[in-house]
Amino acid sequence: AQTVTQSQPEMSVQEAETVTLSCTYDTSENNYYLFWYKQPPSRQMILVIRQEAYKQQNATENRFSVNFQKAAKSFSLKISDSQLGDTAMYFCAFMKKRGSEKLVFGKGTKLTVNP
Amino acid sequence: NAGVMQNPRHLVRRRGQEARLRCSPMKGHSHVYWYRQLPEEGLKFMVYLQKENIIDESGMPKERFSAEFPKEGPSILRIQQVVRGDSAAYFCASSREQGSGNTIYFGEGSWLTVV
Repeated sequence: AQTVTQSQPEMSVQEAETVTLSCTYDTSENNYYLFWYKQPPSRQMILVIRQEAYKQQNATENRFSVNFQKAAKSFSLKISDSQLGDTAMYFCAFMKKRGSEKLVFGKGTKLTVNP
Repeated sequence: NAGVMQNPRHLVRRRGQEARLRCSPMKGHSHVYWYRQLPEEGLKFMVYLQKENIIDESGMPKERFSAEFPKEGPSILRIQQVVRGDSAAYFCASSREQGSGNTIYFGEGSWLTVV
């Protein structure tokens, strides 16, 4: 079974600074997908970024980028130029490429961006 | 992801009553997933459905919970004889097709409170 671990329950960062959220996972699969989802106070789940395991290049979406280390089974999220609207819970998630497309989530990191 | 529609957004039920949560996937999506989020936790997979078929129900409690996705109409998550421990946010998600790692988009969630 796959597991996803987010070791930082809470983090804070000053507006305009950069912050990195950690995520590690455990799997015997070789092909899979990794995701970061954001859950703001409104509680909606919003996709931030997606990475395919067979791609070497780290995914980037505007101010959000990942550092994907497949051998280390690590998938950290970097948020540059943090904004107040980035304040939210951030969940790392894993999905196998084959079989049922269910997401396995970590417990989340609560990020607070301070003015 | 605003295209995944869930209702009701908030539902209050007394112990022993039934709760029905509805989900209409995004246009063009034929795969529906249900997840449950307990307070202060990440989302946990419950069930994965396609039209008229349950593909994976490995996360569903064995009793009182059922899900369907009929040929016409929304997907329904049904909880019979609710107990206090069923109080949670229930998220529906949808994706376009299986096997390609398509992004899964979430609805805004349905909050069930059992009193």
